[in-house]
Amino acid sequence: DIQMTQSPSSLSTSVGDRVTITCRASQGISNSLAWYQQKPGKPPKVLICGASTLQSGVPSRFSGSGSGTDFTLTISSLQPEDVATYYCQKYDRAPYSFGQGTKLEIK
Amino acid sequence: QVQLVQAGGEVKKPGASVKVSCKASGNTLTNYYLHWVRQAPGQGLEWMGWINPNSGATNYAREFQGRFTMTRDTSITTVYMELSRLRFDDTAVYYCARENGDHNAMDVWGQGTTVTVS
Repeated sequence: DIQMTQSPSSLSTSVGDRVTITCRASQGISNSLAWYQQKPGKPPKVLICGASTLQSGVPSRFSGSGSGTDFTLTISSLQPEDVATYYCQKYDRAPYSFGQGTKLEIK
Repeated sequence: QVQLVQAGGEVKKPGASVKVSCKASGNTLTNYYLHWVRQAPGQGLEWMGWINPNSGATNYAREFQGRFTMTRDTSITTVYMELSRLRFDDTAVYYCARENGDHNAMDVWGQGTTVTVS
């Protein structure tokens, strides 16, 4: 099975900073990758699919890039409401594995 | 806009089984795959499997094969997951989620059902 590895596992940064989270697949998955945001006590919310397509209603400060094995989620200017845990997920074929998550906090 | 409504929490003893429902309100689940994802306390997301509500076809994560079953009702508005031979480490929030098309992200999630094995 293809493994999904995210880094870093946690991140503490300041409001207004640029944030980058990476996700690496152990084998190529083309652009079959989604990014989710999860806040405590809530289900995940999809931010990006197809590695770079922003879902409707998601702020434009979020962007995704990559293809094959290496992917990136970028928040161009961190806002207080972005405090959450972020997950990548592959969906090229089963198993639809998730990365282990990146917990984002404000300094 | 479809919503996925899950039943309330369950408390079970080790070795027992639990069955959790996921009902689509506002539409049927026709033409959408339905996934189950769980999250143990303080841990990440773990994909468990999918069901095609139209055909009943299923795909299970290897970790759960043999004790995890997904089914749907004939109206294709409700799907179910059943996990048997429960262990303490099955304590988790179980989510159902709709896949938006074929090989796509999960765009609609249920609110989650807490299963406690104690």
